[in-house]
Amino acid sequence: QVQLQQSGPGLVKPSQTLSLTCAISGDSVSSNSAAWNWIRQSPSRGLEWLGRTYYRSKWYNDYAVSVKSRITINPDTSKNQFSLQLNSVTPEDTAVYYCARETVAVAGTCMDVWGQGTTVTVSS
Amino acid sequence: EIVLTQSPGTLSLSPGERATLSCRASQSVSSSYLAWYQQKPGQAPRLLIYGASSRATGIPDRFSGSGSGTDFTLTISRLEPEDFAVYYCQQYGSSRVTFGQGTKVEIK
Repeated sequence: QVQLQQSGPGLVKPSQTLSLTCAISGDSVSSNSAAWNWIRQSPSRGLEWLGRTYYRSKWYNDYAVSVKSRITINPDTSKNQFSLQLNSVTPEDTAVYYCARETVAVAGTCMDVWGQGTTVTVSS
Repeated sequence: EIVLTQSPGTLSLSPGERATLSCRASQSVSSSYLAWYQQKPGQAPRLLIYGASSRATGIPDRFSGSGSGTDFTLTISRLEPEDFAVYYCQQYGSSRVTFGQGTKVEIK
C-alpha cells in the first residue's frame, strides 16, 4: 500500500521560501511508471497543480507557468522522498499543499495516491 | 493551457436520486488524460475515475464516467449519503495539469 507523508512548516514569512517534503512508502521516487506531484488548494484559486518530478532514465521536471520562476521540485533518492521549494512567497501563496503520485495505467493517467495535506500560511 | 469548466456549480439532490456532472474543456482532451476526483471537507481529493470511464480501485459501480473530446460527464446513478461532496475533473495536456473549479453535490 503506497502512502505519502508530508512534512514542513505551517507558517512562512513574506518574501521567504516555502519548503515541504513528501516521504514515500510502498513505492520508489525513481519508479519508471510514476511521477511525483505538488498541488495546492485555496478558496480563491481552487485546486492548482504546481509541478512534478519523474524518472525516465534521467530526471525530468514540469512546472506550472504561474510559478515557474519561483519553484523547484527535487527528488531525494537516498530518503525516497521529494520536496517542494517555492521562493519569494506572498500571502497569495497561502493554501493547503498536497503531494500526489501520478501513475500511468493502460486506460489512462491519474493521481491515485495523495498526501494528507499541509496548511501553509504566509504572514509576518 | 486547457481550461476545464464544470457545471453546475452546485447540485441539490436527495439520496437515491441520479446526479449528472459536466466537465467541458476549452480544447480537445485525450480520454486517457481525463480523471474525476471526490473531495470531502478536510480531506485530500480521492480518485474516482481515470481514462474518462475507468473506475479506480474500490470505487462503487454507481459511479460512471463518459465522454470524449471536449465534453465529459460523471454520473452517480443513485446517491448514497456518503456521496455528498465536491467533485473535480482533471486533465493532463502538454505536460501540464489543470483542474475544473468543482461541482458541489449537496443534500436537498
